[in-house]
Amino acid sequence: SQTIHQWPATLVQPVGSPLSLECTVEGTSNPNLYWYRQAAGRGLQLLFYSVGIGQISSEVPQNLSASRPQDRQFILSSKKLLLSDSGFYLCAWSWGGIEELFFGEGSRLTVL
Amino acid sequence: DAKTTQPPSMDCAEGRAANLPCNHSTISGNEYVYWYRQIHSQGPQYIIHGLKNNETNEMASLIITEDRKSSTLILPHATLRDTAVYYCIVPSDSGSARQLTFGSGTQLTVLP
Repeated sequence: SQTIHQWPATLVQPVGSPLSLECTVEGTSNPNLYWYRQAAGRGLQLLFYSVGIGQISSEVPQNLSASRPQDRQFILSSKKLLLSDSGFYLCAWSWGGIEELFFGEGSRLTVL
Repeated sequence: DAKTTQPPSMDCAEGRAANLPCNHSTISGNEYVYWYRQIHSQGPQYIIHGLKNNETNEMASLIITEDRKSSTLILPHATLRDTAVYYCIVPSDSGSARQLTFGSGTQLTVLP
């Protein structure tokens, strides 16, 4: 069966510090991968998606970046965090077509 | 994306059916209706999707009106664990899961 893991689950970072959130999928190959963010009391916002290794599409311009160094690994990064980067970050995967998204457990980031 | 309208909140007694409505009057002929739910502090979970025929799975039933301008998600015997935000989504490009835009949804509270 397929599983998705992301870490860390929670982190508190000072403004201006770097960020790295990691997501891995097991039990499938060549999945579509996604990073979403949910600010407090808000809906989910799609940040990045990837259809293959090294292929990243950005939905919203910001100081975040994403990379896919391996088929089932998706990393969300920032060189310098802003207060507005605080939120609940979710990684998800899907098969190539219309099928549903499968979400990870989420990473709650607080920037102070 | 076709715009969807959902009530912001609903209550349901435990053991009773929960009927969650969604209006999508601008839906086009080839656009699917998706339902997800998000339990507090977790990632969204796929529930069901449909095009024009009613659909049923182990979690819920989806009733789509004949003109496809609205639909109802039915949880036949709601439990306390069904308390969550329920999202009705009509992606504009039904061949791409990246078009799943999560709005505000309906907060369903199942009461003991």
